[in-house]
Amino acid sequence: ETGVTQTPRHLVMGMTNKKSLKCEQHLGHNAMYWYKQSAKKPLELMFVYSLEERVENNSVPSRFSPECPNSSHLFLHLHTLQPEDSALYLCASSQDFRPSGRHNEQFFGPGTRLTVL
Amino acid sequence: GNSVTQMEGPVTLSEEAFLTINCTYTATGYPSLFWYVQYPGEGLQLLLKATKADDKGSNKGFEATYRKETTSFHLEKGSVQVSDSAVYFCALSGVRGGSNYKLTFGKGTLLTVNP
Repeated sequence: ETGVTQTPRHLVMGMTNKKSLKCEQHLGHNAMYWYKQSAKKPLELMFVYSLEERVENNSVPSRFSPECPNSSHLFLHLHTLQPEDSALYLCASSQDFRPSGRHNEQFFGPGTRLTVL
Repeated sequence: GNSVTQMEGPVTLSEEAFLTINCTYTATGYPSLFWYVQYPGEGLQLLLKATKADDKGSNKGFEATYRKETTSFHLEKGSVQVSDSAVYFCALSGVRGGSNYKLTFGKGTLLTVNP
């Protein structure tokens, strides 16, 4: 595997279910991100982890719970979601969150298409 | 704060037509600028980037020039193909001297190329 992988690619769940999204990066990066992509809205940054520590949490509801057990893996645990949470959830990674260089090039996974019934 | 404004789509072109997707930004300092592309059913892929004024990023026949005087980073391609059909996102990051290294995205522009 190369780059950033995400599983599952598609997920349908009821509002009372608990599920988890998984992301794995094979790039040796130190920072990982969760984004939410909804129809006709800009990408929303949800969480940022740098060296396995959460450095950003953009007012995301507690029904979304991230976990970063090591620098290569990132999870998003889901419970009691709402239909409006249906979206494409994208994982990304970058070399560092606060790089010594000027830019922060991020590499994205293919996303998990989540549907909440 | 930082913001990116790109032309709203959808944009529909015939094969071999010329493409321009406009992008302008607001940021303090000297951000880096990116174009990402999202093909149907996939995540975002970096298409090209430019890190300082007057730099030209290019890839797969696409080009964009970092214009500080007009705060723009318009995407162009001389002859589009059906396979270029996708959503294109303009983004910025990395303002020197600032603490904001997050990527700020535009809303995306859907391009459809017909044979």
